[in-house]
Amino acid sequence: EPEVTQTPSHQVTQMGQEVILRCVPISNHLYFYWYRQILGQKVEFLVSFYNNEISEKSEIFDDQFSVERPDGSNFTLKIRSTKLEDSAMYFCASSGFDQSNQPQHFGDGTRLSIL
Amino acid sequence: GQSLEQPSEVTAVEGAIVQINCTYQTSGFYGLSWYQQHDGGAPTFLSYNGLDGLEETGRFSSFLSRSDSYGYLLLQELQMKDSASYFCAVRGDDKIIFGKGTRLHILP
Repeated sequence: EPEVTQTPSHQVTQMGQEVILRCVPISNHLYFYWYRQILGQKVEFLVSFYNNEISEKSEIFDDQFSVERPDGSNFTLKIRSTKLEDSAMYFCASSGFDQSNQPQHFGDGTRLSIL
Repeated sequence: GQSLEQPSEVTAVEGAIVQINCTYQTSGFYGLSWYQQHDGGAPTFLSYNGLDGLEETGRFSSFLSRSDSYGYLLLQELQMKDSASYFCAVRGDDKIIFGKGTRLHILP
């Protein structure tokens, strides 16, 4: 079964540094998402992306965050100047359609640790 | 504000039935979904309700009442592997909102 893959599985970065989290969505999916989950807390929506544009974003997704689909397979999340509170698990997800009844397929996540 | 409420923890016995409730308050409503997440794992989609009523998928069922802004996930014939966190998620006008999750403990 096709799956969403994320790299790296764990990223350790100094505060203030830039970090790029990478995702390869399922190949025939058109809608891509990033979520964040702070340890022990709920999954929080960050951003959705379709047709090379951001379609929705949450209040968490401020100017420090950006997303890009640099080629036909990768979908990246960049944090420009990391803060301690950015430490979390970041999940990428994709779906074939941006409809509620369409399951979002999640990757295994990247654990981001800011020192 | 927008919010989803679900119990933080539920405990049940193997082989039994358990219901996990979710109430929501959102700007716009485009369906209620349920996801399962094992410790250290990714959320996996379980079910979706767009209209009122019960949806059944094997041992799992999900119910929605839009007039009550309420839904639940019903797990039958509980197995130890069902020990996980369960999140309800609602698609509102501008984003997807997840509940804080219900941790299901299953006793042998």
